[in-house]
Amino acid sequence: DGGITQSPKYLFRKEGQNVTLSCEQNLNHDAMYWYRQDPGQGLRLIYYSQIVNDFQKGDIAEGYSVSREKKESFPLTVTSAQKNPTAFYLCASRRGPSGANVLTFGAGSRLTVL
Amino acid sequence: AQKVTQAQTEISVVEKEDVTLDCVYETRDTTYYLFWYKQPPSGELVFLIRRNSFDEQNEISGRYSWNFQKSTSSFNFTITASQVVDSAVYFCALTEVGNYGGSQGNLIFGKGTKLSVKP
Repeated sequence: DGGITQSPKYLFRKEGQNVTLSCEQNLNHDAMYWYRQDPGQGLRLIYYSQIVNDFQKGDIAEGYSVSREKKESFPLTVTSAQKNPTAFYLCASRRGPSGANVLTFGAGSRLTVL
Repeated sequence: AQKVTQAQTEISVVEKEDVTLDCVYETRDTTYYLFWYKQPPSGELVFLIRRNSFDEQNEISGRYSWNFQKSTSSFNFTITASQVVDSAVYFCALTEVGNYGGSQGNLIFGKGTKLSVKP
């Protein structure tokens, strides 16, 4: 079955360390997205990519970086510059960038900074 | 600017009760889409429904129904005869695809309503 795989599901990091969250999809979707979810805050867009080798900042991109070298993969790096990285991170994809297209989500990665 | 408001932060009901989750949106655009997603405790958001701004017909799917009213900018979600498995966080979301939407089509999410259904 097609879907989105995020790994790891749980991750602990010491302050000052960079960490990379993996997102892989086999849906043949062009567009991919990273969201951050904090309790009671809904979902906020970090970065998105509409085609391979191209990506744009979302609403809260500071302290994060991404790459899109392959259509299937859109990893997110949480850098030491991110002041409050403890959160639940969700990766999503959709067929194309049109707002009419439905987003498919992965199961999420929970990052805790110790 | 575009905005989605889910005023109910948490709702608790007893199984078999009916419950309505409210969603009010703001948009400058005449062409837009509205969505509802369910997030169970496992964390993954599951798509429930999409409605475009030109289709105000109410939708019913089993125990779920949606009431879209442009006059009040609302897209409310009702669960009839709720079950424990309905316990989740429910998100309403909006994208603008007309003159103000641009090419990105990014979703704006409400903050979600946590529904707890007790046996």
